[in-house]
Amino acid sequence: GAVVSQHPSWVICKSGTSVKIECRSLDFQATTMFWYRQFPKQSLMLMATSNEGSKATYEQGVEKDKFLINHASLTLSTLTVTSAHPEDSSFYICSASLSGANVLTFGAGSRLTVL
Amino acid sequence: SQQGEEDPQALSIQEGENATMNCSYKTSINNLQWYRQNSGRGLVHLILIRSNEREKHSGRLRVTLDTSKKSSSLLITASRAADTASYFCATGTTGTYKYIFGTGTRLKVLA
Repeated sequence: GAVVSQHPSWVICKSGTSVKIECRSLDFQATTMFWYRQFPKQSLMLMATSNEGSKATYEQGVEKDKFLINHASLTLSTLTVTSAHPEDSSFYICSASLSGANVLTFGAGSRLTVL
Repeated sequence: SQQGEEDPQALSIQEGENATMNCSYKTSINNLQWYRQNSGRGLVHLILIRSNEREKHSGRLRVTLDTSKKSSSLLITASRAADTASYFCATGTTGTYKYIFGTGTRLKVLA
């Protein structure tokens, strides 16, 4: 079945630094990937849709300069949290779907803690 | 917010009992899916029901969909301790790969 790998699974960084999270589709090509943010005991909030070879589409209220998304290949999308602050601490999850399929395959998530 | 609502927010049952959780949504959809999330992990797809379907089964899972009421339910029969997790519904809209997730139900099955 389709597998999505997300790395790192957890990261701790100092305030003001930037952190990059990778999302890879291991056995399929994903022209579209999605990035979500999840606070403790809450639901997933869609942040942006990552499109291979073009700019990401951000949801309302998500700062595109804060959360940089790059989808340079059909198997890799990256989310960079720039100048991270403690309020950016969260669980970030990516997902991808096979072209034409409705089912999303999720990565295991990345827990970011900003000190 | 377009986010769906789920109830109950939390559910605690004994092993062997059935667990029912409900999802209500706001927009027109072409399909609705249920996902499971173990604590601190990514989501795992459980079942998909299309807008023209009313009921679907998969193993111990039974999903219903009422598009007139914009609601769905997930029934887990003969629950096991391993079913302990958070369950989310996600709605998909025609013409887009975007899915909107519900608020989730935290299920705890006591052995």
